[in-house]
Amino acid sequence: YVLTQSPSVSVAPGQTASITCGGRHFERNTVHWYQQTPGQAPVLVISYDSDRPSGIPERFSGSNSGNTATLTISRVEAGDEADYFCQVWDSGSDAYVFGTGTKLSV
Amino acid sequence: EVQLGESGGALVQPGRSLRLSCAASGFLFEDYAMHWVRQGPGKGLEWVSGLSWNSDSLGYADSVKGRFTVSRDNAKKSLYLQMNSLTTEDTARYYCVKSKEMRSGIAVSGPFDHWGQGTLVTVSS
Repeated sequence: YVLTQSPSVSVAPGQTASITCGGRHFERNTVHWYQQTPGQAPVLVISYDSDRPSGIPERFSGSNSGNTATLTISRVEAGDEADYFCQVWDSGSDAYVFGTGTKLSV
Repeated sequence: EVQLGESGGALVQPGRSLRLSCAASGFLFEDYAMHWVRQGPGKGLEWVSGLSWNSDSLGYADSVKGRFTVSRDNAKKSLYLQMNSLTTEDTARYYCVKSKEMRSGIAVSGPFDHWGQGTLVTVSS
């Protein structure tokens, strides 16, 4: 099971970044998103497609429709520059699968 | 405050074994599924293994199945990963990870809401 993400996305500060994650039968999965800044452990930024954990800015939002899940970051800041990974549970292989990762450049 | 501290990483030769440990604090360890996730140098995240709160539900990535064994000691608030027959492909930083949902099997344990800083395993001759 493969979760496909664009390798990189580049946006100017203050603009909106959209990071997509594609997979088969996405409508059957809930998607989680993680942010990883250089040298740090990943941090959960969106759970269950669109829930924002405590402490995550409202600028972060998520959606899941059809075969694509999307992480949207509004009013992008320099501190948002990081790698972003999507994640699902794949019942076919009984395993968690991470997306290939997207590097966000600001 | 949730804290996860991994240890046991080292430089090891191919074919050898290694045991990783994760010490947990700041939450009711016995109520949560725990996982190991690894990240090779310059690579993405790979789920390695998971174990439910009561050890009834567990799973492994195909890449480690038959070589790695996950276990936990709830009394010691610790998670372990026994790694045998290591290959160069196992070189990575290994993260200990807590699941969000209480008392669940690994398939429904939810997102990974807390991560340790990881321990580095290097397999090389």
